[in-house]
Amino acid sequence: DGGITQSPKYLFRKEGQNVTLSCEQNLNHDAMYWYRQDPGQGLRLIYYSQIVNDFQKGDIAEGYSVSREKKESFPLTVTSAQKNPTAFYLCASRPAEAGAWGYTFGSGTRLTVV
Amino acid sequence: GQNIDQPTEMTATEGAIVQINCTYQTSGFNGLFWYQQHAGEAPTFLSYNVLDGLEEKGRFSSFLSRSKGYSYLLLKELQMKDSASYLCAVRGLKAAGNKLTFGGGTRVLVKP
Repeated sequence: DGGITQSPKYLFRKEGQNVTLSCEQNLNHDAMYWYRQDPGQGLRLIYYSQIVNDFQKGDIAEGYSVSREKKESFPLTVTSAQKNPTAFYLCASRPAEAGAWGYTFGSGTRLTVV
Repeated sequence: GQNIDQPTEMTATEGAIVQINCTYQTSGFNGLFWYQQHAGEAPTFLSYNVLDGLEEKGRFSSFLSRSKGYSYLLLKELQMKDSASYLCAVRGLKAAGNKLTFGGGTRVLVKP
């Protein structure tokens, strides 16, 4: 079955370390998105990519980096510059011409700084 | 930019009706979504409005007024499993990546 896979489900990071969150989709979707969610709050956009080898900053890109070398993969790196990285991270994808049904979300990665 | 407001929390009784309001101010509008999210899980799609009016899907209905920047989600015949957060999201224009901008979510608690 097609879908989005995020790994790992839980991730622990020491302060000062970079970590990379994986997001892979086999839906042949063109656009991919990374969102951050803090407890009791909505989702905030970190980065998005509409095509391979191109991506744009969202509302809270500072301290994060991404790459889009392959259509099916959009990894997110949380760098040591991100001052408060503990959060729930969600990846989503969408085909180029999406109606109401186009957005598919992964199951998320919960990152905790220890 | 986008600004989306919805109440933080609502409580209702099993079998009752609850209406969750969402107001928005946007620089570009290309549809409004409602998602349900249980704690620690991904959001799941509930409804989509791009034209004014009411969309009904079983126990859930959603309404949109673009001129007022207003939407609501109506949950009827509430069940215990409806206890969750409900997220209002506005989609931006295609030229801006069709990005979804989310409100802070409304946590609904259904009591017996």
